[in-house]
Amino acid sequence: KAGVTQTPRYLIKTRGQQVTLSCSPISGHRSVSWYQQTPGQGLQFLFEYFSETQRNKGNFPGRFSGRQFSNSRSEMNVSTLELGDSALYLCASSWTSGRSYNEQFFGPGTRLTVL
Amino acid sequence: AQKVTQAQTEISVVEKEDVTLDCVYETRDTTYYLFWYKQPPSGELVFLIRRNSFDEQNEISGRYSWNFQKSTSSFNFTITASQVVDSAVYFCALSGSIIQGAQKLVFGQGTRLTINP
Repeated sequence: KAGVTQTPRYLIKTRGQQVTLSCSPISGHRSVSWYQQTPGQGLQFLFEYFSETQRNKGNFPGRFSGRQFSNSRSEMNVSTLELGDSALYLCASSWTSGRSYNEQFFGPGTRLTVL
Repeated sequence: AQKVTQAQTEISVVEKEDVTLDCVYETRDTTYYLFWYKQPPSGELVFLIRRNSFDEQNEISGRYSWNFQKSTSSFNFTITASQVVDSAVYFCALSGSIIQGAQKLVFGQGTRLTINP
């Protein structure tokens, strides 16, 4: 079974631009979560999608948004980029019944650099 | 609020030594889940183990073992006879009660483990 894939793997943008990152979950997984990893703040939860609906959201400004498609693929968008948005963005997928916790499997991440 | 603390920022040992990574957590949930993930230089988080709050049985998997103690809110990870390939950043994480199935992990700051030959 193929793992979680993320595209692109590396991205360089300038302040003020916007960016879209893509995540394809493991086949059969319907939950997709996004995390931001920075040296200063560590790993922080951004949001989670299940069946095209956002179920949970972390403490990030509205510039960070996401969506999920009917095939469970997900995208996250960051508008008006700031230098502090430079980070490794990790996507994770899991099979979830909604009644218990299932392991999240992570992709390789997209490293975003904002200049 | 939920919180995970990994007090050891960096650990460096010589190959074949045993090493323990500490993890202390805080949560008000009665049902919760604890995890360990490994992050090699490639960046991908690799799942190692999950523990439910109602299962305090320790677990061993090859050279890896985990000690879960609710009384001290700790979930420590021991690598026996360490190898150079164990070098990575290790994260402890916590997920609280499932609300409408929502999945969310709270991570510790990570411990960078270096195994020297």
